Amino acid sequence: AQSVTQLDSHVSVSEGTPVLLRCNYSSSYSPSLFWYVQHPNKGLQLLLKYTSAATLVKGINGFEAEFKKSETSFHLTKPSAHMSDAAEYFCVVSEGIGNQFYFGTGTSLTVIP
Amino acid sequence: KAGVTQTPRYLIKTRGQQVTLSCSPISGHRSVSWYQQTPGQGLQFLFEYFSETQRNKGNFPGRFSGRQFSNSRSEMNVSTLELGDSALYLCASSTQGASAADTQYFGPGTRLTVL
Repeated sequence: AQSVTQLDSHVSVSEGTPVLLRCNYSSSYSPSLFWYVQHPNKGLQLLLKYTSAATLVKGINGFEAEFKKSETSFHLTKPSAHMSDAAEYFCVVSEGIGNQFYFGTGTSLTVIP
Repeated sequence: KAGVTQTPRYLIKTRGQQVTLSCSPISGHRSVSWYQQTPGQGLQFLFEYFSETQRNKGNFPGRFSGRQFSNSRSEMNVSTLELGDSALYLCASSTQGASAADTQYFGPGTRLTVL
């Protein structure tokens, strides 16, 4: 069975400091993993995805994530937070035909000026 | 290319009514998925359509139904609305949806309020 656990419901960082959003997954097969961002009253925007190629994945806006199979983790990082990064972030696992997405509960990121 | 569009953006209905939401996928995309987003349950998968056929279904009651047309546009219908159906309904499209690696592109959502 597939599931995603986002370990922090809320993260606060100061502008210019690093961001770490944690995600653990469980999957019966080799999963595909995604990070999406949702700004208030907006749809979901893809940040990056892992599909069994390189374990370190680079995404948009300076975000990256590392797939660690031994730890079943896919944590999202960014070296320096910007005010515009304040949003809700979702970790997603997908497997099988039909490409059903299983979402984590989300992490709300606050960036303090 | 234009993104995924959803209409209407906002709806207010009363209990017992029914509602139809519409989704137009990105041009060339043939797979359309629907999700419900609520503060309590988060994002939950409703169903996925490909080539006018429902290929996958989440754990929702039969009051929730959908369909897809030959041009890949999709509609979802909720009958006998309940207060708990108040949510943001998101539509997503992908090229084929045949692989777990296919990216889903999301629309802005339809905000449904049931009074």
